[in-house]
Amino acid sequence: KQEVTQIPAALSVPEGENLVLNCSFTDSAIYNLQWFRQDPGKGLTSLLLIQSSQREQTSGRLNASLDKSSGRSTLYIAASQPGDSATYLCAVATGANSKLTFGKGITLSVRP
Amino acid sequence: DTAVSQTPKYLVTQMGNDKSIKCEQNLGHDTMYWYKQDSKKFLKIMFSYNNKELIINETVPNRFSPKSPDKAHLNLHINSLELGDSAVYFCASSRTTSGNYEQYFGPGTRLTVT
Repeated sequence: KQEVTQIPAALSVPEGENLVLNCSFTDSAIYNLQWFRQDPGKGLTSLLLIQSSQREQTSGRLNASLDKSSGRSTLYIAASQPGDSATYLCAVATGANSKLTFGKGITLSVRP
Repeated sequence: DTAVSQTPKYLVTQMGNDKSIKCEQNLGHDTMYWYKQDSKKFLKIMFSYNNKELIINETVPNRFSPKSPDKAHLNLHINSLELGDSAVYFCASSRTTSGNYEQYFGPGTRLTVT
């Protein structure tokens, strides 16, 4: 059974700091890994998707890496801004129908 | 243009009632999903349909019955609502079941059972 862990559950940083959010998963037989952002009371916004054959993906100030063999992914946020404050969820797709298993998320607060 | 929409956004009802949540996607995707996010914010898949066919059915009470009239719509009907059903329900879609495509989520329906 796939399990996804995100530690810590919450993080507070000053504006401008570069930061790394971690995600680990127990079953390396994944199809892809997605990072999502969730704002309070809102739905999920897909940030980055990394295929199992890829090592990283970049979008603007975000860079996600994947080490499938060790069951780890990181989301790097450069030059953090208060607008980055949200919950960041990691999810892995496994099984014949690419079922997503989510971590519990990391709630990020970027202080002005 | 809304990609994945859900109605209603909020639903407050009493125990024992039957209610439905509707989901529509205008992305032309073949696959749709229902997820439940509990009070601890943990998000877990409930069902998935591909071209109107049920392909994922997690351990969900049979009071929950999804229905897909066409591949752009996936509705969730809940019978005999219980307090523990209170949660936020998210609908999502993806191009296919293949792991090559990301999932797009709706805004969620916050269900409160009193």
